[in-house]
Amino acid sequence: RKEVEQDPGPFNVPEGATVAFNCTYSNSASQSFFWYRQDCRKEPKLLMSVYSSGNEDGRFTAQLNRASQYISLLIRDSKLSDSATYLCVVLGPSSASKIIFGSGTRLSIRP
Amino acid sequence: DTGVSQNPRHKITKRGQNVTFRCDPISEHNRLYWYRQTLGQGPEFLTYFQNEAQLEKSRLLSDRFSAERPKGSFSTLEIQRTEQGDSAMYLCASSRFDRDGNTIYFGEGSWLTVV
Repeated sequence: RKEVEQDPGPFNVPEGATVAFNCTYSNSASQSFFWYRQDCRKEPKLLMSVYSSGNEDGRFTAQLNRASQYISLLIRDSKLSDSATYLCVVLGPSSASKIIFGSGTRLSIRP
Repeated sequence: DTGVSQNPRHKITKRGQNVTFRCDPISEHNRLYWYRQTLGQGPEFLTYFQNEAQLEKSRLLSDRFSAERPKGSFSTLEIQRTEQGDSAMYLCASSRFDRDGNTIYFGEGSWLTVV
């Protein structure tokens, strides 16, 4: 089983729609979680951190479910510019843990 | 520009040759990571440093790969006797690991094509 798993997609949704992705992780002791966005042939860029209480940044909402070991990303009122690959990122339990990326979920917003 | 800097950005090399990539992290960051990414996949962890100490190496990192961070600042990733399967984007990232978190920031990547 992969340490971090995501549905690869692609998700193809119309502009203005709401779309949600999940990401599961295998290590129950993982301590930090992030969503990164990656455009084609570019480097990943931090979209948002994921906090236990859930957090929102504009149209984006991230949530963590420790009991079921998944994190989610919700995008409301999607824009054409949201088209990208969204990477789930997990930091392990100790200060010496490495950062693990999921394979990414591709999102395509159509006009 | 005070972000993570990588060079060269693109490298085409013949199979069997050695290549070296350099990464200059954000100056106050104590951790530096190397990842490899192929099309359609997420970044795969290769190795990381805290200051000058190499804390972990992935099993993906064969003995043809070596990484250094001699003074705890910039890092180099060398691939010896390159193979076609080494063709990928090599990403460097850095972070300031402290009790407030460990957000990592990526460089633009170094694209390697082995022909």
